[in-house]
Amino acid sequence: DTGVSQDPRHKITKRGQNVTFRCDPISEHNRLYWYRQTLGQGPEFLTYFQNEAQLEKSRLLSDRFSAERPKGSFSTLEIQRTEQGDSAMYLCASSSDMEKLFFGSGTQLSVL
Amino acid sequence: AQSVTQPDIHITVSEGASLELRCNYSYGATPYLFWYVQSPGQGLQLLLKYFSGDTLVQGIKGFEAEFKRSQSSFNLRKPSVHWSDAAEYFCAVGATTDSWGKLQFGAGTQVVVTP
Repeated sequence: DTGVSQDPRHKITKRGQNVTFRCDPISEHNRLYWYRQTLGQGPEFLTYFQNEAQLEKSRLLSDRFSAERPKGSFSTLEIQRTEQGDSAMYLCASSSDMEKLFFGSGTQLSVL
Repeated sequence: AQSVTQPDIHITVSEGASLELRCNYSYGATPYLFWYVQSPGQGLQLLLKYFSGDTLVQGIKGFEAEFKRSQSSFNLRKPSVHWSDAAEYFCAVGATTDSWGKLQFGAGTQVVVTP
């Protein structure tokens, strides 16, 4: 497999702007997860999809955040009206039903 | 409340010496248990996992972990550390349900390897 791919690797934006990240999971993995990691902390779960259905969302995912996975393939995570507190590494992971998560390298977001 | 605690924020170890990283969890029932490693600029890589059965689990890169139910612990060990083991290590727990991938991670332990 080619691994989980995330784009962009880095994103710098101004407060109040909208940003969108993309995640391409390992092909044929039916589950896709988004996590957020801030400096000095472990990753925190945000949301996950099984195929195209978004099955669970964390309370961390405010109404400014939206995630989609059209057609059950790639996924996008959009943050509207970014705030400085949104600065973090956004990680994507995928899995089949084999109970192992494969993580991408993440998108580092900096909100100025 | 559910929690994962990694008591050591930072550990320095000499190359060739043994390494033990501690992990304690608080959970309603015995969860799935994982150890991940993260190197700079790299994604998280699974070292090993415990679901059930033998409480001593072997993983990749020469790592092993032991589940101790009575202590709610899942400590990671390596007998002889290599310079390439310098990284951040995360313990994580997941529910033994269909939501297993909704992992709760500890804050991590940064491992520095000295010559």
